[in-house]
Amino acid sequence: QSALTQPASVSGSPGQSITISCSGTSSDIGGHNYVSWYQQHPGKAPKLLIFDVSNRPSGTSYRFSGSKSGSTASLTISGLQADDEADYYCSSYTSSSIFFIFGTGTKVTVL
Amino acid sequence: QVELVESGGGVVQPGSSLRLSCAASGFTFSSYAMHWVRQAPGKGLEWVAVVSYDGNKNYYADSVKGRFTISRDNSKNTLYLQLNSLRGEDTSIFYCVRGSRYGSGSFYFDYWGQGTLVTVSS
Repeated sequence: QSALTQPASVSGSPGQSITISCSGTSSDIGGHNYVSWYQQHPGKAPKLLIFDVSNRPSGTSYRFSGSKSGSTASLTISGLQADDEADYYCSSYTSSSIFFIFGTGTKVTVL
Repeated sequence: QVELVESGGGVVQPGSSLRLSCAASGFTFSSYAMHWVRQAPGKGLEWVAVVSYDGNKNYYADSVKGRFTISRDNSKNTLYLQLNSLRGEDTSIFYCVRGSRYGSGSFYFDYWGQGTLVTVSS
């Protein structure tokens, strides 16, 4: 597996909640609790949002939350804001030879 | 504050070599694993390589194994990536990224540099 599977795009109106899924296998998401999420605005470096499935580093808004069920992880953004418009990537440690794998990326559009 | 500053990118011909550097500051460099992650123009993120906190272990993505070499100099707080036998598909922004603290028991990328662009073209 070369990448975790994410929807190409998700959209929502300001104030709404949206959820981005990240599908993997038993070698990565299903086998470890090392899922992390990153936000990337155009022309900028990615920024860590969530680590170890559901932990927020200092500086990450409470509006961002993570969860996992089986081999699928999810990122929920509540109270959607204009500045949330960005690309989002999931990532996981994997016990395959790759060691670390990213998702295909999801473009979030705020309508 | 944590700062990671990459350098060494540029335009090179296929088959050429290049060495990227990443100057780290604001944290105890020798206590953290360090990674390189790349992003082709308009594409997603791809993990490239990791080196352990002490430089004794390193691992690579299959796509670069045998061509790229990651290393570090803890006395200079600097991370390196030697790129050999470059191909057009290596054209990417290369990010220097801080990984796990030694003994943390976790795996994530918490600080990223701004990246350096490598363009492979004839």
